[in-house]
Amino acid sequence: EVQLVQSGGGLVQSGGSLQLSCAASGFVFSGSAAHWVRQAAGKGLEWVGRIRSAAINDATAYGASVKGRFTISRDDSKNTVYLQMNSLKAEDTAVYYCLRRIEGSAGDFVDLWGQGTLVTVSS
Amino acid sequence: DIVMTQSPLSLPVTPGEPASISCTSSQSLQRSNGNNALGWYLQKPGQSPQLLIYLGSNRASGVPDRFSGSGSGTDFTLKISRVEAEDAGVYYCMQDLQVPLTFGGGTKVEI
Repeated sequence: EVQLVQSGGGLVQSGGSLQLSCAASGFVFSGSAAHWVRQAAGKGLEWVGRIRSAAINDATAYGASVKGRFTISRDDSKNTVYLQMNSLKAEDTAVYYCLRRIEGSAGDFVDLWGQGTLVTVSS
Repeated sequence: DIVMTQSPLSLPVTPGEPASISCTSSQSLQRSNGNNALGWYLQKPGQSPQLLIYLGSNRASGVPDRFSGSGSGTDFTLKISRVEAEDAGVYYCMQDLQVPLTFGGGTKVEI
């Protein structure tokens, strides 16, 4: 089955760090971009950042609220993308989703979401 | 950033009846190749969002044909021809023309 399997969430104190993982199952992740999106309780969806494929130099970009604190990386040998979150704040509390964005001849679009992982930052 | 505006916020529907959700973007989502960078996603209770429609009007694999997407440029519509109980949840439009990806505020479909 084609899916994104997330892990690594949990409770962390304000100022602390946490790393989320997003492992591809049933497909090879290396040819796709990966995005991270978060959803605070009762709120809408907020884009966190993305990493493109190695063919596009693993190019990263980040949302304004996390830039300088969060880092996205990928290990294509493990078929996994990571979100390293440092200097966490209470307002980072949310469910985090990883997404696959297909970028190819069929068109560019997000077609797959991970199951989500809850990050809770206590103050 | 591209602002996505969805309406209505809430949509009570009766099984078997049609439903329609509107999504407007603050700038055109049409790429030079003619594709529209607009997707529709359904988030059922307790689940992550799932793709319904991509590139504005293409139904994703496994999505029932009662779902259809239309529109181009800045105005898009998701239609359900005959709503079923399993269609309940929150529907989101999302643009991926550029980063940051941005989302409509969601439409809660209640059956």
